[in-house]
Amino acid sequence: DIQMTQSPSSLSASVGDRVTITCRASQTISSYLNWYQQKPGKAPKLLIYAASSLQSGVPSSFSGSGSGTDFTLTISSLQPEDFATYYCQQTYSTPITFGQGTRLEIK
Amino acid sequence: QVHLQQSGPGLVKPSQTLSLTCAISGDSVSSNSGAWNWIRQSPSRGLEWLGRTYYRSSKWYNDYAVSVNSRITINADTSKNQFSLQLNSVTPEDTAVYYCTSGPGGMDVWGQGTTVTVSS
Repeated sequence: DIQMTQSPSSLSASVGDRVTITCRASQTISSYLNWYQQKPGKAPKLLIYAASSLQSGVPSSFSGSGSGTDFTLTISSLQPEDFATYYCQQTYSTPITFGQGTRLEIK
Repeated sequence: QVHLQQSGPGLVKPSQTLSLTCAISGDSVSSNSGAWNWIRQSPSRGLEWLGRTYYRSSKWYNDYAVSVNSRITINADTSKNQFSLQLNSVTPEDTAVYYCTSGPGGMDVWGQGTTVTVSS
């Protein structure tokens, strides 16, 4: 199985801050990397697919980059509604696997 | 616009079978570009992909996670445009929120989630 490791596990930041979350795959996954946002009691929401493509309706403050084994999700200017948990996911091969999550909290 | 509506019981007894259904609107379960997944989430396991079904070139395929491979079946019902999850011989460790999702790549549509508790 491909292991997905996110860092940090949690992060405190303020409204307006620029934030970067990283995700590392245990083997190369090309660009088969997706990012999700999840709020309490809700299903995950797709933000970025294929490493850097912005899902329709997602604010342009979100961006993704990377290929191979190392990926990043960047939020350019945090808004109050961005405080949530973020997950990366690889769909390069089955079993599809997720990172353990990064909890983004208000400082 | 694709919508997924889950149904099924929220309480299952140990050793019995967990059965959930996901009804699709706005797309076809037999689409040649789609894939239909089941994912669960628990505090101990995080987000765990369980398996998927998909239709390609007139044939159905399934992929399953090794952790549940001996206990899981995912079926598509083209007459009702839905797909289902059956997980046999459940234990309390199968207690989780279960989601159905779409997409062979980025999963852009999710069901509402079903909290399933395994308890006598």
